[in-house]
Amino acid sequence: EAGVTQFPSHSVIEKGQTVTLRCDPISGHDNLYWYRRVMGKEIKFLLHFVKESKQDESGMPNNRFLAERTGGTYSTLKVQPAELEDSGVYFCASSQSGAGEQFFGPGTRLTVL
Amino acid sequence: GNSVTQMEGPVTLSEEAFLTINCTYTATGYPSLFWYVQYPGEGLQLLLKATKADDKGSNKGFEATYRKETTSFHLEKGSVQVSDSAVYFCALSDTGTASKLTFGTGTRLQVTL
Repeated sequence: EAGVTQFPSHSVIEKGQTVTLRCDPISGHDNLYWYRRVMGKEIKFLLHFVKESKQDESGMPNNRFLAERTGGTYSTLKVQPAELEDSGVYFCASSQSGAGEQFFGPGTRLTVL
Repeated sequence: GNSVTQMEGPVTLSEEAFLTINCTYTATGYPSLFWYVQYPGEGLQLLLKATKADDKGSNKGFEATYRKETTSFHLEKGSVQVSDSAVYFCALSDTGTASKLTFGTGTRLQVTL
């Protein structure tokens, strides 16, 4: 069974540009989470989907971040326009049930110059 | 709100040494506690967990006991191997329904021959 996959693995963009990160959860997992780790600090929750609906988006830092999960399968996280402080590693995780184990992808390392 | 504090790294040990990585938490109610591990180039993997006070989670020779009285969940291993070199994250989630994870800052462990 394939695990959680994320694309791209690395992205380097300039301030002001737009970047879209993609996450493919484990097949059949209704719950999808986005997290971010900035500059070696703690990993912070961004938001949680149940199927295509946003269950909790309390961690989204501001309106430059837009997450979607059309059709309840893969998810995208768009940053527009990117700022220097958005640099970090963005992790996606999925779980079969809400309280079940979260399986993480390898992360996307975003560098904003 | 919830928070997790874990010891600063990096931790450098010789093979077969004893490992302790301290983790304390602040939470309302009775959270579930986790240790995740991130090996180089990979995503986070659940190492062990405990869901109630005095529970001991264990896996791959690692152990951690849920201590409600000291709000701690310290990770221990009696004899580390070079292959244990990784970043270790302590985390918690509220019990019950679907819930985001709250992570510590991570502790890098380097084991040398």
